[in-house]
Amino acid sequence: GIQVEQSPPDLILQEGANSTLRCNFSDSVNNLQWFHQNPWGQLINLFYIPSGTKQNGRLSATTVATERYSLLYISSSQTTDSGVYFCAALYSGSARQLTFGSGTQLTVLP
Amino acid sequence: SQTIHQWPATLVQPVGSPLSLECTVEGTSNPNLYWYRQAAGRGLQLLFYSVGIGQISSEVPQNLSASRPQDRQFILSSKKLLLSDSGFYLCAWSALAGVSEQYFGPGTRLTVT
Repeated sequence: GIQVEQSPPDLILQEGANSTLRCNFSDSVNNLQWFHQNPWGQLINLFYIPSGTKQNGRLSATTVATERYSLLYISSSQTTDSGVYFCAALYSGSARQLTFGSGTQLTVLP
Repeated sequence: SQTIHQWPATLVQPVGSPLSLECTVEGTSNPNLYWYRQAAGRGLQLLFYSVGIGQISSEVPQNLSASRPQDRQFILSSKKLLLSDSGFYLCAWSALAGVSEQYFGPGTRLTVT
């Protein structure tokens, strides 16, 4: 099955700094999503981005499907950005299963 | 707009007891429904998915089962819980199987003692 790898596994930033999170996937995908898991465990949808670039406020994401990677950019980070960021991909050959990466634990210090 | 509910939010159950977790979706018809488990650590694993009433597919052999008695209701069950069933259980829905965005419920945190 598809492999999804995220880097870095842990990231500590000072408030106001920028960061880039990376997601590599091993095969063609129909669906690529980025989530933020808050301290209560809720998975919050950030982007649905099987290809191209999208922006939402301080966050933006780019997926280069031909090179099998996606990037999540966080600018001017805030303490509320802390949590685990997941990317998840749905392999073109799979009917249903979103395969999750192991996540990036982001800590933003005041 | 669509919303997804799960209950209970937290549950502590002894080994060998039964389990029933419920998930309901509002604001959409004929959703695709999913059960995921997140064990200690980070990764989420798909357990079951359903494309319609009574249609359940299992991704991983385990001590759990799922049912879909109504269009927007998805239930996760066990007859006898194991310690290894502890974890965070998340229900999700999507409009179109295999393509469209998945949305997750708030989750149920299960501790088996």
